[in-house]
Amino acid sequence: GENVEQHPSTLSVQEGDSAVIKCTYSDSASNYFPWYKQELGKGPQLIIDIRSNVGEKKDQRIAVTLNKTAKHFSLHITETQPEDSAVYFCAASSTGNQFYFGTGTSLTVIP
Amino acid sequence: ETGVTQTPRHLVMGMTNKKSLKCEQHLGHNAMYWYKQSAKKPLELMFVYNFKEQTENNSVPSRFSPECPNSSHLFLHLHTLQPEDSALYLCASTAGADPETQYFGPGTRLLVL
Repeated sequence: GENVEQHPSTLSVQEGDSAVIKCTYSDSASNYFPWYKQELGKGPQLIIDIRSNVGEKKDQRIAVTLNKTAKHFSLHITETQPEDSAVYFCAASSTGNQFYFGTGTSLTVIP
Repeated sequence: ETGVTQTPRHLVMGMTNKKSLKCEQHLGHNAMYWYKQSAKKPLELMFVYNFKEQTENNSVPSRFSPECPNSSHLFLHLHTLQPEDSALYLCASTAGADPETQYFGPGTRLLVL
């Protein structure tokens, strides 16, 4: 089955700096890669996703890049703000029924 | 809110109790999921229902019993749980079979004493 690894597990950045979270996957059949943000007391919420026919996608301060050859994808948050502090999860899927998640990155943005 | 609601939000139960978790989605989706979220571990998929039919059961112990009476409601019946079952139980839904965005509920925080 698929194996998704996520790094780092914790990340602290100064407000205004950029944050990068990286994930690798093992199954070349995976073709959908969502990123979720989970705030305390809430369920994960989708923030951005990318499909395997695209190398990069951007939505305001958030971007995701995908390298299918190397089987890794990354989340980039620019101009970080305190409200970006949360746990971020990457995931990979090939079927739509099975989503394989990373172990999460706890991001702290220091004002 | 994401359109997926879960009740109760918190639950404390003894190992001999029987309780049920409820999930409801208001998004018109036809697939629903139960996940277990434990500290320092990836989300663990437990069950998947497509059009009310169970399509995945990831080796979940029989003390967890899912029920999907219609495509909008999903239950997780709990009985004789163990302390290691304490976790956040998340419900999610998607619109179709092709990889689709999952919408999560807020979860039920379960503590088994």
